[in-house]
Amino acid sequence: GENVEQHPSTLSVQEGDSAVIKCTYSDSASNYFPWYKQELGKRPQLIIDIRSNVGEKKDQRIAVTLNKTAKHFSLHITETQPEDSAVYFCAASRAGGTSYGKLTFGQGTILTVHP
Amino acid sequence: NAGVMQNPRHLVRRRGQEARLRCSPMKGHSHVYWYRQLPEEGLKFMVYLQKENIIDESGMPKERFSAEFPKEGPSILRIQQVVRGDSAAYFCASSPRGENSPLHFGNGTRLTVT
Repeated sequence: GENVEQHPSTLSVQEGDSAVIKCTYSDSASNYFPWYKQELGKRPQLIIDIRSNVGEKKDQRIAVTLNKTAKHFSLHITETQPEDSAVYFCAASRAGGTSYGKLTFGQGTILTVHP
Repeated sequence: NAGVMQNPRHLVRRRGQEARLRCSPMKGHSHVYWYRQLPEEGLKFMVYLQKENIIDESGMPKERFSAEFPKEGPSILRIQQVVRGDSAAYFCASSPRGENSPLHFGNGTRLTVT
């Protein structure tokens, strides 16, 4: 089955700096890669996703890059703000058939943005 | 348009009791997924259901756990004879169809077994 490794487990940055979180996956058939943000005691919220036919996707201060050959993808947050502080999870799945919503999650990265 | 609704938000059970967790998908969604999150861990897939059908239950423990999504009413995740290790947050997500639909999660049910 799929295995997703996420690094770092904790990340501390100063407000305004950039933050990068990296994930690797093992199943070459995976082709859908969402990122979720989870605040303490709350539900995971989808912040951005990318499919394997695209190498990069950007949404305001958030971008995701995908390297299918190396089987890794990364989340980039620019101009970080204290409200970006949360746990971030990457995930992977195979789009198509019955596997689309069967996400395999990474272990999470605790991001702390210091004012 | 209300999101995925889960209840109860918090559930306390003593060891050996039964826990019933409910999930109402977003309007128009017929696919439901259940995930479990142990403290300080990522979410783990449990089961994928469509109305009246279990599509994939590969993540469900073989004993004590069951799930259903009847023609009418919410999806139910049932845990019989709960043990302390069942304490976790259980999240439900729904999608309108199986493909190309990002998953949006409900607020979860936090189960505590005493």
